[in-house]
Amino acid sequence: EVVLTQSPGTLSLSPGERATLSCRASQSVSSNYLAWYQQKPGQAPRLLIYGASTRATGIPDRFSGSGSATDFTLTISRLEPEDFAVYYCQQYGRSPLITFGQGTRLEIK
Amino acid sequence: QLQESGPGLVKPSGTLSLTCAVSGVSLSSNDWWSWIRQPPGKGLEWIGEIYHNWSSNYNASLRSRVTISVDKSKNQFSLKLSSVTAADTALYYCANRRGYSYATWGQGTLVTVSS
Repeated sequence: EVVLTQSPGTLSLSPGERATLSCRASQSVSSNYLAWYQQKPGQAPRLLIYGASTRATGIPDRFSGSGSATDFTLTISRLEPEDFAVYYCQQYGRSPLITFGQGTRLEIK
Repeated sequence: QLQESGPGLVKPSGTLSLTCAVSGVSLSSNDWWSWIRQPPGKGLEWIGEIYHNWSSNYNASLRSRVTISVDKSKNQFSLKLSSVTAADTALYYCANRRGYSYATWGQGTLVTVSS
């Protein structure tokens, strides 16, 4: 079973700062199969990044994804007030077919 | 485009049944139609998925209790989860997987397991 471990669990930053979120896989994951989501309270997750580094439709370019194999990163270059939320990574392909990380909560400092 | 519906309360040992109505896209498209759940205050858990030709994939941890089906005439798909316990209390989302990620989600429906 592939386990995705996200760190940190909570990240406290101020608007305008840079956020770096990590997602580590217990086994190698194809870059094509790694995605990132943002979830705000009371809302469904929203796809931000797929294929490890491709922004989904309508996602601002302050969001970027990188990484390969077992280490992936989501970077938000300059935080806007609306970016404070919970972020999940997700992999496809290893049993279970789909798994999510436990999430990183990005909170206002 | 995706809308879940079903009972919000299910008794322990009963069967949870939910339906996802799909609009704006055909179930016969090249997407996989999925169920994902989120216990209150916790993370996301993939339950399983189905293709329009009835091919399906399930999370092994739930496989013995889960059935996902598709009704192309109504453009909807459904989830049945049997022998539920309090641990199955969660917000249940339907979503479609295009490629290897989920671009479209329903709003979610809360199902509570309680007597």
